Amino acid sequence: DTEVTQTPKHLVMGMTNKKSLKCEQHMGHRAMYWYKQKAKKPPELMFVYSYEKLSINESVPSRFSPECPNSSLLNLHLHALQPEDSALYLCASSLDGNYGYTFGSGTRLTVV
Amino acid sequence: SQQGEEDPQALSIQEGENATMNCSYKTSINNLQWYRQNSGRGLVHLILIRSNEREKHSGRLRVTLDTSKKSSSLLITASRAADTASYFCATEMNTDKLIFGTGTRLQVFP
Repeated sequence: DTEVTQTPKHLVMGMTNKKSLKCEQHMGHRAMYWYKQKAKKPPELMFVYSYEKLSINESVPSRFSPECPNSSLLNLHLHALQPEDSALYLCASSLDGNYGYTFGSGTRLTVV
Repeated sequence: SQQGEEDPQALSIQEGENATMNCSYKTSINNLQWYRQNSGRGLVHLILIRSNEREKHSGRLRVTLDTSKKSSSLLITASRAADTASYFCATEMNTDKLIFGTGTRLQVFP
């Protein structure tokens, strides 16, 4: 299995909802990442987990809450989001610095 | 935070022509990577070049890195319509911190 699987592919949520994005990889990769990408912009790093521990938080608002239950799974819990949080959320994983990152196909989130 | 800038922002060429994209970055890096993204979906890793390497090839791709000028270039030879996509350079400054450049939108006309 050489893929990163993200679910759901699309999500529409209200500003008072709580939802979660899920990411899974079975490549034995050490690190997992969340990126946010707005239209016609580059991906922006949000969080990094290394060996299931949060190692980087790029000053992301607390309405985004990451979780890494095990080495294969990464979640992003969403609560009280704003319309400007609408974006493509990308998950990625990597083995080490000698190889590139493997990205999932993303979750397109719309906050209404 | 944004580390790299790419130029051109957009590039249109005919099939069979070569496409060159340039990337400049600001701080010291461990490695530089190039990715392709089709239609705003997931990114596909194309090639990684380490800070002590100057040139790398993969199929129709050639990447150069000049750490003294803090710049890199991606050359796609004999372009095909299927190469139409956005291309991003990304720099890994510290372990696990991969920051993307602004991207180049490439359009290849049949």
